[in-house]
Amino acid sequence: DTAVSQTPKYLVTQMGNDKSIKCEQNLGHDTMYWYKQDSKKFLKIMFSYNNKELIINETVPNRFSPKSPDKAHLNLHINSLELGDSAVYFCASSQDFLTQYFGPGTRLLVL
Amino acid sequence: AQTVTQSQPEMSVQEAETVTLSCTYDTSENNYYLFWYKQPPSRQMILVIRQEAYKQQNATENRFSVNFQKAAKSFSLKISDSQLGDTAMYFCAFMTRGAGSYQLTFGKGTKLSVIP
Repeated sequence: DTAVSQTPKYLVTQMGNDKSIKCEQNLGHDTMYWYKQDSKKFLKIMFSYNNKELIINETVPNRFSPKSPDKAHLNLHINSLELGDSAVYFCASSQDFLTQYFGPGTRLLVL
Repeated sequence: AQTVTQSQPEMSVQEAETVTLSCTYDTSENNYYLFWYKQPPSRQMILVIRQEAYKQQNATENRFSVNFQKAAKSFSLKISDSQLGDTAMYFCAFMTRGAGSYQLTFGKGTKLSVIP
């Protein structure tokens, strides 16, 4: 009965590879988000989708592409991975915008 | 642009004591929301407490309360009767309406250790 789930929890990969992180929420929320938490614990929003439409796209390299096949899913695809992409990526969802429910995070390590 | 500053990278408190975490923010907006999130070692981000800027009364949730000083742009979190389970990173966050959506901006966090 997990509210916001992410897969995988850990991802170790080589530089230059392409990888995806999946996010699913079973709360019926309209809005989903992706955040990046760097090695210094700084958490910053990357994208926000509302009803499958992109509404926030912060200054993120275009190697990062969110994809929302339906309202309950917001996947993050990353092309040509770089060392600096190593971080913890959090998915979140909200209905009333005030309360965001976060997933458990995906720790990405690029070697 | 909004900024959130947490000036205490690390703090510690004895179990059962009270601790206050500081947060200041900068904005030209009048309508906004402030939050404290907790991130324990499990990494899960958990909402602790929320404050609407238009409300003068300070928010309280059980052992957690805030001191919201709108003129000073200050939003501190007080944890009373600290428990070992309160050990975590605490993030202050600010939300206002950007282009098309509400957006959270986080501070850099304060690592709180509760000592038995």
